[in-house]
Amino acid sequence: KQEVTQIPAALSVPEGENLVLNCSFTDSAIYNLQWFRQDPGKGLTSLLLIQSSQREQTSGRLNASLDKSSGRSTLYIAASQPGDSATYLCAVILYGQNFVFGPGTRLSVLP
Amino acid sequence: EPEVTQTPSHQVTQMGQEVILRCVPISNHLYFYWYRQILGQKVEFLVSFYNNEISEKSEIFDDQFSVERPDGSNFTLKIRSTKLEDSAMYFCASTARGGPPSTDTQYFGPGTRLTVL
Repeated sequence: KQEVTQIPAALSVPEGENLVLNCSFTDSAIYNLQWFRQDPGKGLTSLLLIQSSQREQTSGRLNASLDKSSGRSTLYIAASQPGDSATYLCAVILYGQNFVFGPGTRLSVLP
Repeated sequence: EPEVTQTPSHQVTQMGQEVILRCVPISNHLYFYWYRQILGQKVEFLVSFYNNEISEKSEIFDDQFSVERPDGSNFTLKIRSTKLEDSAMYFCASTARGGPPSTDTQYFGPGTRLTVL
């Protein structure tokens, strides 16, 4: 059974720092991996989707990498801002199944 | 930008009552999903739906749950006899194409918070 973990569970950084969020999954036969942002009491906003044939995706200050063989993905946030404060979720999908989510990393960016 | 909408935003019900949660997916999307998130826990997949039938469902999606696309725009989740443990945030999502496996981004609605008393 696919298990997804995220480290750290929570992170607090001063504004302007570059930071890395980690996601690990136990079954490397994933079809794609998606990073989401969740604001308190709100829905999920898709940030980046990486297909299994890709190694990374970039959108603005965000860069996500995927290493299927090691079962890891990282989300890199450059020059963090207070507006980046949210919970970041990664989710993997296996062939024939739907998303399996990680528990999330709760990020606080302090002004 | 098109978005998935959900109503109501918050539903309070008594244990044993039936509830229907409503979703309007993005208009040209073909695959629809329900997820739930119990407070403080992970987002969990419930069911996927395509071409007017269930594509996949999880162990959570038992006989108390049903889904329907009653018209060309709405997608509903019905819980027949709610239990205390059904209290959670329920999210609807849609993709333009693909079901599992999908290369498409899933777009999520803002969620309905269900409270069962």
